[in-house]
Amino acid sequence: SQELEQSPQSLIVQEGKNLTINCTSSKTLYGLYWYKQKYGEGLIFLMMLQKGGEEKSHEKITAKLDEKKQQSSLHITASQPSHAGIYLCGADIGNSNYQLIWGAGTKLIIKP
Amino acid sequence: EPEVTQTPSHQVTQMGQEVILRCVPISNHLYFYWYRQILGQKVEFLVSFYNNEISEKSEIFDDQFSVERPDGSNFTLKIRSTKLEDSAMYFCASVGEAVGVYNEQFFGPGTRLTVL
Repeated sequence: SQELEQSPQSLIVQEGKNLTINCTSSKTLYGLYWYKQKYGEGLIFLMMLQKGGEEKSHEKITAKLDEKKQQSSLHITASQPSHAGIYLCGADIGNSNYQLIWGAGTKLIIKP
Repeated sequence: EPEVTQTPSHQVTQMGQEVILRCVPISNHLYFYWYRQILGQKVEFLVSFYNNEISEKSEIFDDQFSVERPDGSNFTLKIRSTKLEDSAMYFCASVGEAVGVYNEQFFGPGTRLTVL
C-alpha cells in the first residue's frame, strides 16, 4: 500500500526548545511537501523538497530530504507560540498523474 | 505570483442538494486535482484531470461526483446529492508539465463544505 508515516502524532514542546517531525515513505520520494494547518482551516505551504538530498530553510524552520531513508525531517529551532498547529507532509512517490499521498499530521503544542 | 484560487471559501448545504465547488488553477498548468480532508483526518486524493478527461480517481470518487473544465480556466467539482459524510474541506491543486524540471503541485486555499 502507498503509505506515508508521520511521527510523532503529537508533540508538546516548551517555548524556546527545538523539535523535529519526521515523515517516512514506503516508496521512493520524488518530491516532499510540508504544510502547516490550523484545525479546520486551509493548508499553509512551508517548503517543497525535491529528490536529491535537498535541504531548505525558512525563518526558524529547516526541512531535509534523505533519499536513502525515504524520509524527510522538519526541524524547528527555538519554537514560538506561532509555530503551534498541525504539520502535514505530502509526497510525490512517482504516481503517473503526479497526485500526492499524505501523512496523518503532527499536532504541535507550544507551552509558554 | 500565480496561485490557485477556490470559491466559495465556505459552502453550507442541505443533505440531498447538489453543490458545485469552483477552482481556477494556474493558467499554464495541465494537471488538475481535487483532494478532500474530513475534519481531523488525512488529506485524501479524489481525482486527477488531464487533457480534458479524468486520468485517475480514487474509491471515494463515486457516481455522485463529477468534474469539469467548462471554459479552459475553471475546474469544478460537482456533488450531485450531498450526504452528511461529504462534509469536509475540499482542496483543488494543479501541476504544470515543463520538461527537464520538477513539476511542483500548487494547492488552493480550500472550500469548507458543510452538509446539514
